[in-house]
Amino acid sequence: DADVTQTPRNRITKTGKRIMLECSQTKGHDRMYWYRQDPGLGLRLIYYSFDVKDINKGEISDGYSVSRQAQAKFSLSLESAIPNQTALYFCATSVLAGGQETQYFGPGTRLLVL
Amino acid sequence: QKEVEQDPGPLSVPEGAIVSLNCTYSNSAFQYFMWYRQYSRKGPELLMYTYSSGNKEDGRFTAQVDKSSKYISLFIRDSQPSDSATYLCAMNRFQKLVFGTGTRLLVSP
Repeated sequence: DADVTQTPRNRITKTGKRIMLECSQTKGHDRMYWYRQDPGLGLRLIYYSFDVKDINKGEISDGYSVSRQAQAKFSLSLESAIPNQTALYFCATSVLAGGQETQYFGPGTRLLVL
Repeated sequence: QKEVEQDPGPLSVPEGAIVSLNCTYSNSAFQYFMWYRQYSRKGPELLMYTYSSGNKEDGRFTAQVDKSSKYISLFIRDSQPSDSATYLCAMNRFQKLVFGTGTRLLVSP
């Protein structure tokens, strides 16, 4: 089984709808992240969480919210989806060891907002 | 100006060629440098990690860091069609990673 799973893998929604993307991990890592990936812009950080009670905004958090329900679960919500939120969304977990942080990514959710 | 610059490609090479992928960066605070590989419809996976200036080798892959020039490279020897993917450089700053946009590599048989 995959260590980091994301659901759904693909989603089409309409402008104004609320949607939630879910991420689960079995790696036992405290740190979790949400990124979006767009052609020509690379991976951009939306939100991150270093433990269950910690939530931090990334560089592009406007229009998004998150919930860290447990160590293993981190969900991303789009309260009112808009077309420029069409992108590939990745969840990641990480562990910090010896000063080195390695991030492990899920398979991604492809979101299309019409 | 972006903190990390990377040519998006695509870079097309024949099988067996030596590939050079590069990133430049502007922030001298970056300490750790990584290369991730991303296959189509998959999430990125860590390929190489380096800390100091110099070279680090792992099989057919060599990561090179030149902190004085703010320049990092990934070399792939004897490239294979299975190396066809997007390669992203990444650097850490204040416990967060900053990624390049990725270079798409195509290795033809």
